[in-house]
Amino acid sequence: DAGVTQSPTHLIKTRGQQVTLRCSPKSGHDTVSWYQQALGQGPQFIFQYYEEEERQRGNFPDRFSGHQFPNYSSELNVNALLLGDSALYLCASSFWGSGANVLTFGAGSRLTVL
Amino acid sequence: TQLLEQSPQFLSIQEGENLTVYCNSSSVFSSLQWYRQEPGEGPVLLVTVVTGGEVKKLKRLTFQFGDARKDSSLHITAAQTGDTGLYLCADRFTGTASKLTFGTGTRLQVTL
Repeated sequence: DAGVTQSPTHLIKTRGQQVTLRCSPKSGHDTVSWYQQALGQGPQFIFQYYEEEERQRGNFPDRFSGHQFPNYSSELNVNALLLGDSALYLCASSFWGSGANVLTFGAGSRLTVL
Repeated sequence: TQLLEQSPQFLSIQEGENLTVYCNSSSVFSSLQWYRQEPGEGPVLLVTVVTGGEVKKLKRLTFQFGDARKDSSLHITAAQTGDTGLYLCADRFTGTASKLTFGTGTRLQVTL
């Protein structure tokens, strides 16, 4: 049973560019949340998707946007990249019907902005 | 905005030693979760505690939730090299369970 799969694992971009990160949730899960983890810090909640809609959002600018597809997979898009966007981006999946009580995290996509 | 502070930030010990790490919140926890994150991996849930004063044990790990539900501790007995990782506490908001507020983390290194 595959867990949460994220791609790419590592990528390097330059300031001003745009990036798309992808996430496939664990089998049986229908809710996807994204977190940003800066070096040496705990993860910070970006947003959550369920039924292809953004359900909750953390304190992140509009440069951060997302999408959820009918197969429950999700994308995180970041526009106009800044140096401060360098971080590990974690995707977490859960099952909405159980109150999304248990999150399963992927290994993350490490983004470096030069 | 809730702030979760963890201490110590870094801890380096030898195998067999005992240790305790702490998590303190600026406000009352909805429910508290502890995670461990190993290098190159995402966080993995260790335990959820809800009731003030609650104590939970997971093999060599003992989790304690403060009576006022604003602090917690994680005690590891006879640490092993496999315990190495980043230990994170998090507040899980009732009704919005996917939204976690994480602490700053304690990085533990256990050596032979």
